[in-house]
Amino acid sequence: SAVISQKPSRDICQRGTSLTIQCQVDSQVTMMFWYRQQPGQSLTLIATANQGSEATYESGFVIDKFPISRPNLTFSTLTVSNMSPEDSSIYLCSVEDLAGNGYTFGSGTRLTVV
Amino acid sequence: KNQVEQSPQSLIILEGKNCTLQCNYTVSPFSNLRWYKQDTGRGPVSLTIMTFSENTKSNGRYTATLDADTKQSSLHITASQLSDSASYICVVTTSGGSYIPTFGRGTSLIVHP
Repeated sequence: SAVISQKPSRDICQRGTSLTIQCQVDSQVTMMFWYRQQPGQSLTLIATANQGSEATYESGFVIDKFPISRPNLTFSTLTVSNMSPEDSSIYLCSVEDLAGNGYTFGSGTRLTVV
Repeated sequence: KNQVEQSPQSLIILEGKNCTLQCNYTVSPFSNLRWYKQDTGRGPVSLTIMTFSENTKSNGRYTATLDADTKQSSLHITASQLSDSASYICVVTTSGGSYIPTFGRGTSLIVHP
């Protein structure tokens, strides 16, 4: 299955600033997914990133707040913009395992906004 | 609305004991069901995946069952180890053209020595 390198693993940020999270996959994948996992909650899909086109955002998430880049088939970034304490969460990237073993996830970025 | 409900929310057991986690879903049309293990501070890792025609799948000490008629799944952990302490997440995917999976909130398992 694919191996995903996600960074940073954690960060503490001041409100009003922005943080960019990176995910590098060891193989080419068509779609990459970005999730948010708030404490004690299930994973919530933020958006799907396709190479060569704009990301598709789920209800409640907008591009101005969570801009996404997908410059090639192995890399994507998610930026959390103008952060507030409510953005404190774990952010995860994911790709679908083409071998049919499910979705592979990055190790996650634990973000704390103070 | 597609939903995945897991129970119990949390569970504490002694090392060496067995336990069973439950997952009920309303996702339709059904494509597959996956169980993931998520260690604290890490991303989820796949344990098992089952399609409509499969009713049991094992991965070491983990055995998942699926009853597609009642839309229920269970994850049985045998001879628990301290390293089994984690959150276990049930994920159901539809076959209706959408690739977006529906996640349960997870069961937090703590194994005590």
